[in-house]
Amino acid sequence: EAQVTQNPRYLITVTGKKLTVTCSQNMNHEYMSWYRQDPGLGLRQIYYSMNVEVTDKGDVPEGYKVSRKEKRNFPLILESPSPNQTSLYFCASTIAGGLGTGELFFGEGSRLTVL
Amino acid sequence: SQQGEEDPQALSIQEGENATMNCSYKTSINNLQWYRQNSGRGLVHLILIRSNEREKHSGRLRVTLDTSKKSSSLLITASRAADTASYFCATDAEYNFNKFYFGSGTKLNVKP
Repeated sequence: EAQVTQNPRYLITVTGKKLTVTCSQNMNHEYMSWYRQDPGLGLRQIYYSMNVEVTDKGDVPEGYKVSRKEKRNFPLILESPSPNQTSLYFCASTIAGGLGTGELFFGEGSRLTVL
Repeated sequence: SQQGEEDPQALSIQEGENATMNCSYKTSINNLQWYRQNSGRGLVHLILIRSNEREKHSGRLRVTLDTSKKSSSLLITASRAADTASYFCATDAEYNFNKFYFGSGTKLNVKP
């Protein structure tokens, strides 16, 4: 089954404690991206990756890091989480860059609370 | 920012009625897609419309795009209770088709 898998689905942590949210897709997609969803703001793109070792900033990259060492994985790293990073996070992938090549497949989301 | 606005923010209708929601964006685009989200779950793709297209249909969905007004509308005909969800438009940017922008969403409630 084609899917994007995120872990953990729920996480409560404290300010400053590094954490990683993993994302894996099994569709051999080149393009992967991370979003955060906050009430009234829709989804905002954090980082995206066009292929292995190729990443770039989205609209709200501050406080986040990513890496793309393998095609299927695109982890999101919060080096020193702060309460303003409390949000619902989504990973998504598509076959290649651009919305014209196909649909975005989304993971089920990771709800992060930073105390 | 390219981030769009969706209108209305919330919409409540009876089963069988049509639902129309609108999306506006700020800069020129290549493509626009509509997505559906059930209560905090992952988004699911509904339909794609390209900048050179004016209207697309898919089942009970009809999407229009007016690039001169930088707006799109999604019409769901003969709505069902199962259509209750939030709906988002997503655009890329003419200058960078790898960056995606989502609207703030319309929350649709279809009453049985």
